[in-house]
Amino acid sequence: GQNIDQPTEMTATEGAIVQINCTYQTSGFNGLFWYQQHAGEAPTFLSYNVLDGLEEKGRFSSFLSRSKGYSYLLLKELQMKDSASYLCAVRDSNYQLIWGAGTKLIIKP
Amino acid sequence: ETGVTQTPRHLVMGMTNKKSLKCEQHLGHNAMYWYKQSAKKPLELMFVYSLEERVENNSVPSRFSPECPNSSHLFLHLHTLQPEDSALYLCASSQELLAGGQDEQFFGPGTRLTVL
Repeated sequence: GQNIDQPTEMTATEGAIVQINCTYQTSGFNGLFWYQQHAGEAPTFLSYNVLDGLEEKGRFSSFLSRSKGYSYLLLKELQMKDSASYLCAVRDSNYQLIWGAGTKLIIKP
Repeated sequence: ETGVTQTPRHLVMGMTNKKSLKCEQHLGHNAMYWYKQSAKKPLELMFVYSLEERVENNSVPSRFSPECPNSSHLFLHLHTLQPEDSALYLCASSQELLAGGQDEQFFGPGTRLTVL
């Protein structure tokens, strides 16, 4: 079966750096997405990786290793507004999105 | 604002009620999706429409009935629901179906449904 694993919850301190990992086992691979979802709000797109390596977007970076079935989202200079759930999703060989259960990130002052 | 709106935002209904969820996208996209989001579970894809034609129905019970009258609007009609159907129902759209590249999905804020 197809599976996406990510930690259920993480806690970090304001101003620090946090890395949220995502491992996947899917039928084929056509890209990996990260979304941010604040409580009670819509998931919003953060990043897309299809080739190995690091993609940087301001304070957020996303890394992909296709051979290891692994990605991470790196958040730097954490702010209180970064408290949210972070969803990892992989597009499989049928171009369907397979979703992880999300990682709830709690930022403490 | 993501360009996708959903109404109502909250809905409480009894098991014998009939209600409808509405989704509208203002992005000119050709594909629209209904998802169910339950606590601590992955998003479950329910229905997919491409150019107003249903192309995916992931074994969803018949008490959920989708309707897509045009490429901008999507409805989910609810009838005789069960308490386990209580969840957040999310609508999303994307430029195309089965597209490669960074054709991300844009989500609405969801309808929080409670079935008593």
